[in-house]
Amino acid sequence: SAVISQKPSRDICQRGTSLTIQCQVDSQVTMMFWYRQQPGQSLTLIATANQGSEATYESGFVIDKFPISRPNLTFSTLTVSNMSPEDSSIYLCSARGQWDTEAFFGQGTRLTVV
Amino acid sequence: GIQVEQSPPDLILQEGANSTLRCNFSDSVNNLQWFHQNPWGQLINLFYIPSGTKQNGRLSATTVATERYSLLYISSSQTTDSGVYFCAVSGSARQLTFGSGTQLTVLP
Repeated sequence: SAVISQKPSRDICQRGTSLTIQCQVDSQVTMMFWYRQQPGQSLTLIATANQGSEATYESGFVIDKFPISRPNLTFSTLTVSNMSPEDSSIYLCSARGQWDTEAFFGQGTRLTVV
Repeated sequence: GIQVEQSPPDLILQEGANSTLRCNFSDSVNNLQWFHQNPWGQLINLFYIPSGTKQNGRLSATTVATERYSLLYISSSQTTDSGVYFCAVSGSARQLTFGSGTQLTVLP
């Protein structure tokens, strides 16, 4: 199993500002992902974080709004840029190893934009 | 992409009752997981079960991959079982696709 530390756990931000969320995994993993969970909804994939290259974004999500970095196999960041109240959500980092192994999640970042 | 449907969307039980949650998926999968999301938003891994049957205490799960469904059984439910239960699958793509969840409320 993998232990994933995500921070901050929660934040209240002013509209128009940006927040960077960090995700640290305790072991080397192949795949890292970022998900968004809007209030009362299920989880939606934002992007796959690729080591040393640009992230792969899902339809409806763009790099300018959600820039992602993954400088090594165990660390990734997600930035929520130019925030609006519609960005208020829980953001979750996920990781899994090779060959379709079990996926694990960080504890999430609860973001409120005012 | 793969579609995931969970039922029922909401379930209210008295403490001590048993329940069955269902997850249907639209294509063959190589990963299926059940999660419990607690009131603080954290996802707790319950089962990694792309096929077969597993049990962990009062919880058990069965996946019939050929018929594209999975069941999560909760026996002798407790108030601490309350929360949202998610089924998530992945196929040829490596990322998980989540169902809409089942909101479980266990009353004392």
